[in-house]
Amino acid sequence: EADIYQTPRYLVIGTGKKITLECSQTMGHDKMYWYQQDPGMELHLIHYSYGVNSTEKGDLSSESTVSRIRTEHFPLTLESARPSHTSQYLCASSDTGRVEKLFFGSGTQLSVL
Amino acid sequence: AQRVTQPEKLLSVFKGAPVELKCNYSYSGSPELFWYVQYSRQRLQLLLRHISRESIKGFTADLNKGETSFHLKKPFAQEEDSAMYYCALSGHQGGSEKLVFGKGTKLTVNP
Repeated sequence: EADIYQTPRYLVIGTGKKITLECSQTMGHDKMYWYQQDPGMELHLIHYSYGVNSTEKGDLSSESTVSRIRTEHFPLTLESARPSHTSQYLCASSDTGRVEKLFFGSGTQLSVL
Repeated sequence: AQRVTQPEKLLSVFKGAPVELKCNYSYSGSPELFWYVQYSRQRLQLLLRHISRESIKGFTADLNKGETSFHLKKPFAQEEDSAMYYCALSGHQGGSEKLVFGKGTKLTVNP
């Protein structure tokens, strides 16, 4: 079934650890996005990609990095997690042409102790 | 710069009452506006878009360029409408098209 998957759903980790949040979609979409959302706040775009080997930083500065080696896979990495990175991370994808209809994953709730 | 403002963080109405979720935007170009919704334990999903002029689940939204608003309305709220609602704007920045979200309004429809 065509969908967008994020793992893990929840992650609790200590300061200084390297983490990778996984995002995969089987919808054949070229565009993929990472949003960060704190409780009660808006979604902030932190990274996006329009295709393989294409990655751009979003509006909100983030210490995370992303890669897009395969169309369906868009992982986000934090080399050294800090408590300030505690947040919800949402992955989304959209078809080429228009950004309007985003398909979101279930999100990863990251807590850094 | 693109900006979306949802002035109400929380909105509570009774079942059967009309509901209006406010959204104002700031954008120098020709905007495209959307409403996204997140029901409890579900993913964020597109509810409706202004260019479609559609009614989804009884909700409508009209783009008012003069007032730079895109309020979401429903004449008779139902309990299943309880959710987080996000207004979003699509515009071009630096040669790329992006979707900017408001902070969201949590709607509670009481029985």
